[in-house]
Amino acid sequence: DGGITQSPKYLFRKEGQNVTLSCEQNLNHDAMYWYRQDPGQGLRLIYYSQIVNDFQKGDIAEGYSVSREKKESFPLTVTSAQKNPTAFYLCASSTRGFGYGYTFGSGTRLTVV
Amino acid sequence: KNEVEQSPQNLTAQEGEFITINCSYSVGISALHWLQQHPGGGIVSLFMLSSGKKKHGRLIATINIQEKHSSLHITASHPRDSAVYICAASNEKLTFGTGTRLTIIP
Repeated sequence: DGGITQSPKYLFRKEGQNVTLSCEQNLNHDAMYWYRQDPGQGLRLIYYSQIVNDFQKGDIAEGYSVSREKKESFPLTVTSAQKNPTAFYLCASSTRGFGYGYTFGSGTRLTVV
Repeated sequence: KNEVEQSPQNLTAQEGEFITINCSYSVGISALHWLQQHPGGGIVSLFMLSSGKKKHGRLIATINIQEKHSSLHITASHPRDSAVYICAASNEKLTFGTGTRLTIIP
């Protein structure tokens, strides 16, 4: 079955370390997105990519980096510059641009200690 | 003020009750989405609508474009419906509400 795979489900890291969250889709979707979810807040857009080798900053890109070398993969790196990295991270993809045929992954909960 | 507001924030009901969750938005949209997030965190897309009403099983979503308001209804609610329900407005991006936590008691 087609879908989005995020790994790992839970991740613990020490403060000051970079960490990379994986997101893979086999839906042949052009667009992929990373969102951050904090308690009591709506999902906020970190980065998005509408085609391979191109990506754009979202609303809260500071302290994060991404790459899109393959259509099916959109990894997110949480760098040591991110001031408050502990959060739930969701990856999504869509057929074309925002609002069309969205599919979400199951998320990665990152805890920095 | 958030661009997408949901109410109520929390809702507890008895099994079998008719449930209504509301979503108001202040931005122009091309579509309004309803999503379901289970305790494990994964999100499932329930509806995408730009006018009128859609139905899937016991779930019904309506939208009033003039009033910038959408509702999600659940008929004959069941404990397995317990989840967080999120609405999101799409224009040049998706803007999410903060969610409604629904708990159905057997």
